[in-house]
Amino acid sequence: DVKVTQSSRYLVKRTGEKVFLECVQDMDHENMFWYRQDPGLGLRLIYFSYDVKMKEKGDIPEGYSVSREKKERFSLILESASTNQTSMYLCASSSPGVLWQPQHFGDGTRLSIL
Amino acid sequence: AQSVTQLDSQVPVFEEAPVELRCNYSSSVSVYLFWYVQYPNQGLQLLLKYLSGSTLVESINGFEAEFNKSQTSFHLRKPSVHISDTAEYFCAVSGADSSYKLIFGSGTRLLVRP
Repeated sequence: DVKVTQSSRYLVKRTGEKVFLECVQDMDHENMFWYRQDPGLGLRLIYFSYDVKMKEKGDIPEGYSVSREKKERFSLILESASTNQTSMYLCASSSPGVLWQPQHFGDGTRLSIL
Repeated sequence: AQSVTQLDSQVPVFEEAPVELRCNYSSSVSVYLFWYVQYPNQGLQLLLKYLSGSTLVESINGFEAEFNKSQTSFHLRKPSVHISDTAEYFCAVSGADSSYKLIFGSGTRLLVRP
């Protein structure tokens, strides 16, 4: 089974702090994703990475950056956290291919910015 | 661009009753369609998918969904629900030409009561 592990289930930070959310997958997947989940809005894509050091902006990249130095690890960075970034963050990975491949999700990090 | 509408934010139902969770999409290209389920305090799991072929797709736990191209719908149904089906259900779409990117609906919380 694919395992996507997010380093923290719950995280509390203060406004203005630099925040790192870490995600590791164990299936050698090329694609990795960061989503934000908010009530009534579903999941929205923040950033996508299709290879080491490669990234693409998703639908809501403002206020976020990402880092992918190793294939198995994809980090989401809040450069200067703000209260409107309080949310559930979900990481996912998938394998590219000619046919569609499913995304496998981690259990999420619930981030509170005070 | 694609979009997904889930018309019901919450659906309460008694155990052993039938249920339908509605999903409509819009897209100018051919699409793939999915239902994901999120149990409390967990990430998302793929429930079922439509890629091509038969318009009726089934999951291993009794759910089914039918792709209706003329009505641009992909409603999820189960003839008899269990308490354990209580979860949030997300409908998602991807363009067949950019299958890595998923667009999610806002989610429907299914609450099964004894």
